[in-house]
Amino acid sequence: AQSVTQLGSHVSVSEGALVLLRCNYSSSVPPYLFWYVQYPNQGLQLLLKYTSAATLVKGINGFEAEFKKSETSFHLTKPSAHMSDAAEYFCAVSESPGGGNKLTFGTGTQLKVEL
Amino acid sequence: GAVVSQHPSWVICKSGTSVKIECRSLDFQATTMFWYRQFPKQSLMLMATSNEGSKATYEQGVEKDKFLINHASLTLSTLTVTSAHPEDSSFYICSARGGGGKEVRTDTQYFGPGTRLTVL
Repeated sequence: AQSVTQLGSHVSVSEGALVLLRCNYSSSVPPYLFWYVQYPNQGLQLLLKYTSAATLVKGINGFEAEFKKSETSFHLTKPSAHMSDAAEYFCAVSESPGGGNKLTFGTGTQLKVEL
Repeated sequence: GAVVSQHPSWVICKSGTSVKIECRSLDFQATTMFWYRQFPKQSLMLMATSNEGSKATYEQGVEKDKFLINHASLTLSTLTVTSAHPEDSSFYICSARGGGGKEVRTDTQYFGPGTRLTVL
């Protein structure tokens, strides 16, 4: 079985500060990992995904994530937060590269960006 | 491209009634749709996978007679919560897997905005 754990249900940063959202995974097979963002009253939008091609994955809106097998982690980062980054972020794992099959989600992290 | 809508966005109903939630892929065909349930401060939990023209596959622990799923066309799937009770109150989210086409990947789930169900 696959699972992901997101540490911190709420994260608050100042505008311009580093964003770090944590995700650890558990999987008995090589995992495919994803980060999604959900803005209020909108569907989940794919930020980036890890499919074993490269351990450092760049996504949309300046976000990136690094796959670290030794730490079973896939943390999401952004060098400089913008107010528009305020949203809920979900880490997910799948056995399929694109996540087109079953996705197992973490509990989510609400990101707040303050002036 | 790849927009998924849900209707209604929120619904309040009395205990014992049935509620239907629609999930539509607006600009692409979706051979597979997924239904998730999200409790406050918890993960999205996959309830079932539906393929157009065939019966849905339910995850373990999900009552198929209570949560009826119909995927009658390539652009529409419905979830009916039958004889709803307060414990069914939740946020229901659907997603659609693209069937190919312009700007639509076949290996990606596209998510709807969700439906908030409150059962009194």
